[in-house]
Amino acid sequence: DIQMTQSPSSLSASVGDRVDITCRPSQRISSYLSWYQQRPGKAPKLLIYAASTLYTGVPSRFSGSGSGTNFTLTITSLQPEDFATYYCQQSHSTPGTFGQGTKVEIK
Amino acid sequence: EVQLVQSGAEVKKPGESLKISCKSSGYSFAAYWIGWVRQMPGKGLEWMGIIYPRDSQTTYSPSFQGQVTFSADKSISTAYLQWSSLKASDTAMYYCARREMATDAFDIWGQGTMVIVSS
Repeated sequence: DIQMTQSPSSLSASVGDRVDITCRPSQRISSYLSWYQQRPGKAPKLLIYAASTLYTGVPSRFSGSGSGTNFTLTITSLQPEDFATYYCQQSHSTPGTFGQGTKVEIK
Repeated sequence: EVQLVQSGAEVKKPGESLKISCKSSGYSFAAYWIGWVRQMPGKGLEWMGIIYPRDSQTTYSPSFQGQVTFSADKSISTAYLQWSSLKASDTAMYYCARREMATDAFDIWGQGTMVIVSS
């Protein structure tokens, strides 16, 4: 199985801050990387697919970059509704493993 | 509107069987893989496996192989996740999700089904 390592596991930030979350797979996955947002008590939502493509309806303050073994989710100008847990997931091979999650909390 | 609607919460005893459902609408159910994802209380997301409703082809994560069974009924656009003998460690939220064709990302998610297994 491909192991997905996210960092940091949690972070505190203020409204308006820029946030970067990294995801490193244990082997190269080309661009088969997605990012999801999960608010407390809710189902995950797709934000980014194919490493850098914004999913329909997702605000442009979210962006993804990277390929191979190093990926980043960036949130520019953090908004109150962005405080949530973020997961990366590889779809290069099955099982399609998720990262352990990054919880973004209010400072 | 494309959506997946899951069956309601369940409370079961260890050793009991269970089948939960995931009903699709708004798209061609048979044409998209459906995945199942487990989230244990306070924990992260775990990829359990996928099923292709057109021919019921399945792929299970090794962690879940033999522990659960996926099925699908095209006539009612519904996917299922079942257990033959529940354990307390099966207590979790279970999500179904549609797997997008080109990139295999999960683009549409159900609201989740909470399963509690307790004596």
